[in-house]
Amino acid sequence: AQKITQTQPGMFVQEKEAVTLDCTYDTSDQSYGLFWYKQPSSGEMIFLIYQGSYDEQNATEGRYSLNFQKARKSANLVISASQLGDSAMYFCAMRKSGTSYGKLTFGQGTILTVHP
Amino acid sequence: DSGVTQTPKHLITATGQRVTLRCSPRSGDLSVYWYQQSLDQGLQFLIQYYNGEERAKGNILERFSAQQFPDLHSELNLSSLELGDSALYFCASSVEGAGDETQYFGPGTRLLVL
Repeated sequence: AQKITQTQPGMFVQEKEAVTLDCTYDTSDQSYGLFWYKQPSSGEMIFLIYQGSYDEQNATEGRYSLNFQKARKSANLVISASQLGDSAMYFCAMRKSGTSYGKLTFGQGTILTVHP
Repeated sequence: DSGVTQTPKHLITATGQRVTLRCSPRSGDLSVYWYQQSLDQGLQFLIQYYNGEERAKGNILERFSAQQFPDLHSELNLSSLELGDSALYFCASSVEGAGDETQYFGPGTRLLVL
């Protein structure tokens, strides 16, 4: 079974500063994918970034980067130069690779608040 | 805009009733997923369809059923509704359903059972 743990229920950051949202995972699968999604107060789920378990380099997408430490089973999201619009709930999720069975397992989420 | 559409956006109904939630995947996506988001359970995977066939099942109650039609849209049917079924229901889609594919989520249907 897969498990995602997000230990920070809430985080605060000043506008223009960087912030790291923690995510640890547990799985017996050898090949898996890690995802981060953003959920603003409006409710939609927005895909941010993906990291494959065999990717040697950390994934980056604009201001988002994923600090992947496989041995520690962590996949932290780093948001650089925070903006007010980054205030939202952030979910870490994982999924087994090499299969067509699609279940995403989500963590409990972290609420990020960006202060001006 | 993810390209996944869901209707209706909001639904208010009474206990014991039946509702149908509809989802249209992104153009070209063959796989559709349903998730339930509630305060006490978080985000839970319900079921996956691929090109009209059920592919994977999660924590879906027997009172719930889903199907994917030849035009690839999907419907989630919830019957004998209980107060605890109040939640945000998401549909997501991906190209083929492979493990490394990104799932793109629709805006969700917010269900309130009174």
